[in-house]
Amino acid sequence: GAVVSQHPSWVICKSGTSVKIECRSLDFQATTMFWYRQFPKQSLMLMATSNEGSKATYEQGVEKDKFLINHASLTLSTLTVTSAHPEDSSFYICSARASGTYSTDTQYFGPGTRLTVL
Amino acid sequence: GQQLNQSPQSMFIQEGEDVSMNCTSSSIFNTWLWYKQEPGEGPVLLIALYKAGELTSNGRLTAQFGITRKDSFLNISASIPSDVGIYFCAGAQGGSEKLVFGKGTKLTVNP
Repeated sequence: GAVVSQHPSWVICKSGTSVKIECRSLDFQATTMFWYRQFPKQSLMLMATSNEGSKATYEQGVEKDKFLINHASLTLSTLTVTSAHPEDSSFYICSARASGTYSTDTQYFGPGTRLTVL
Repeated sequence: GQQLNQSPQSMFIQEGEDVSMNCTSSSIFNTWLWYKQEPGEGPVLLIALYKAGELTSNGRLTAQFGITRKDSFLNISASIPSDVGIYFCAGAQGGSEKLVFGKGTKLTVNP
């Protein structure tokens, strides 16, 4: 149980194009999903919190117009990197928070998406 | 932002040895989570702790939620080569849905 998928697992795009990454909770409903960015040999950096049916909450320093987040259903959140530039190249990981009594704080992570912008 | 103090930063051990790593904080946490991440993959949840003093095992892994709610440790017994990876602790505080992460412990197991 508690499986989270991401698609695509890796993507290479040209500078100036937009890339959409999907995050799905496969066997549970997730009212909240999170998007992280991870640089090599570093910990996870939270980019934004995505709540189903409402606008995402972005962390300080993260451009909301550049990283568009949509959480249209209880099992799907998408991150769109708009007008991507080489500095946006990174490993993007989503997580979904399971609902329930004790497990509310537990986040289950997707396998990540490696974005390379040429 | 806030981070947990995770140590050690890296460990090089021989197969069969036991491993211990811990996370501390100056703040109280209501939940402690331990994840393992392998190269090119997302973190995988190993153990979740929800009550102070809780001791939970998952196979060869054992983790405890400190009584003060400001620390947690993870032990791995009889390590094997597939234990290689980066282990992250993460905590959740009351009133916040976000997780605070440690910087990770990189484990290398020599066969």
